[in-house]
Amino acid sequence: DVKVTQSSRYLVKRTGEKVFLECVQDMDHENMFWYRQDPGLGLRLIYFSYDVKMKEKGDIPEGYSVSREKKERFSLILESASTNQTSMYLCASSPRWTDSPLHFGNGTRLTVT
Amino acid sequence: AQKVTQAQTEISVVEKEDVTLDCVYETRDTTYYLFWYKQPPSGELVFLIRRNSFDEQNEISGRYSWNFQKSTSSFNFTITASQVVDSAVYFCALLYNNNDMRFGAGTRLTVKP
Repeated sequence: DVKVTQSSRYLVKRTGEKVFLECVQDMDHENMFWYRQDPGLGLRLIYFSYDVKMKEKGDIPEGYSVSREKKERFSLILESASTNQTSMYLCASSPRWTDSPLHFGNGTRLTVT
Repeated sequence: AQKVTQAQTEISVVEKEDVTLDCVYETRDTTYYLFWYKQPPSGELVFLIRRNSFDEQNEISGRYSWNFQKSTSSFNFTITASQVVDSAVYFCALLYNNNDMRFGAGTRLTVKP
């Protein structure tokens, strides 16, 4: 079974801190995604990557950056955390160029105080 | 623009009732894929079904059925004889360009005993 692991289930950070959310997948998938989930808004795509060192902006990239130095790892970076970035963050992966469903991690609930 | 609309934010039914979750999508692509995911209280999104744009056949899997109609750009999901374990948030999603997936806002289904 595909496993997508997010390093933290819950995280509390202070405004202005630099925050790293880590995601690792074990199925050699080319595509990796970061979504943000908020009540009433569903899942919104922040960034995705279809290869090592490649990245594409999603719908809401402002205030975020990403890093993909290795195929299995996709990091989401909040350069200077703000309270409006309090949310559930979901990482996902999928094979490239297929209609395969996304495989999701359990999510990281980030609270910025 | 690619967009998925789930107009029903919350639905509440009594056990054994049938319930239909609506999904309407927008895309200019001729090749695309539609998905339904379930997010139980534990938080991890679980893949339920995938349908490609060239296959309009309805599908039934146990108590679940899906009605795909290109003429109305809809991909509705029906649960027959609902059970308490069906309580979850359900997301409809659109995959295009083979890499980019967009989600609807989700419908929270509560099944009461």
